[in-house]
Amino acid sequence: QLHLLESGGDLVKPGGSLRLSCAASGFTFGHFHMAWVRQAPGKGLEWVSYISSDTGTRYSADSVRGRFTISRDNTKNSLYLQMNSLRADDTAVYYCARQIGTTAFFDLWGRGTLVTVSS
Amino acid sequence: QSILTQPPSASGTPGQRVTISCSGTDSNIGVNSVSWYQQLPGTAPKLLFSRDHQRPSGVPDRFSDSKSGTSASLAISGLRSEDEADYFCAAWDDSLNGPVFGGGTKLTVL
Repeated sequence: QLHLLESGGDLVKPGGSLRLSCAASGFTFGHFHMAWVRQAPGKGLEWVSYISSDTGTRYSADSVRGRFTISRDNTKNSLYLQMNSLRADDTAVYYCARQIGTTAFFDLWGRGTLVTVSS
Repeated sequence: QSILTQPPSASGTPGQRVTISCSGTDSNIGVNSVSWYQQLPGTAPKLLFSRDHQRPSGVPDRFSDSKSGTSASLAISGLRSEDEADYFCAAWDDSLNGPVFGGGTKLTVL
């Protein structure tokens, strides 16, 4: 059964850091591109970052570039998001998603992990 | 403000056909495929169509999509109460080098 499970969400103060993880199972993780997509409370979806299957290509949204870093470990079937210099507007549920190439097709989603940035 | 424009709400009665529009530009919908997501309350988004327009397992054939120029539409026929959800469109944006989403449309089944 295909499965993505995020972890690491927490309450953090502005300026703080957090590392999210996503454990994949049920498919050959290293064959697929992956992404993080977030959703602020009561708001729409916002793509955060993308990483290719071989980690050779990474893209990030303007809103997080320079602060967030996406990475993966194909030997551990895991995806990560290192978030630094967190701001209140980073508060959101962060979803790990399997992305079909450089497209807007995300065919598998985790259930999400909540990040709250507040003093 | 979202890059792709969707109406914030839509509604219909059981059995009706409803459509949800999604408007973009020449750098996203005009040149790339559009994806649609259904998000039921408290759950993660779910892809409604694959890149080749096939419906994943569990998506009924009452759902269909179309695209013309820089606009796309999602149509739901034979509306049912379980279709009540938020619907999002998305497309890769060649200028931004990333996917962009619509703001979402909340569908209410009256």
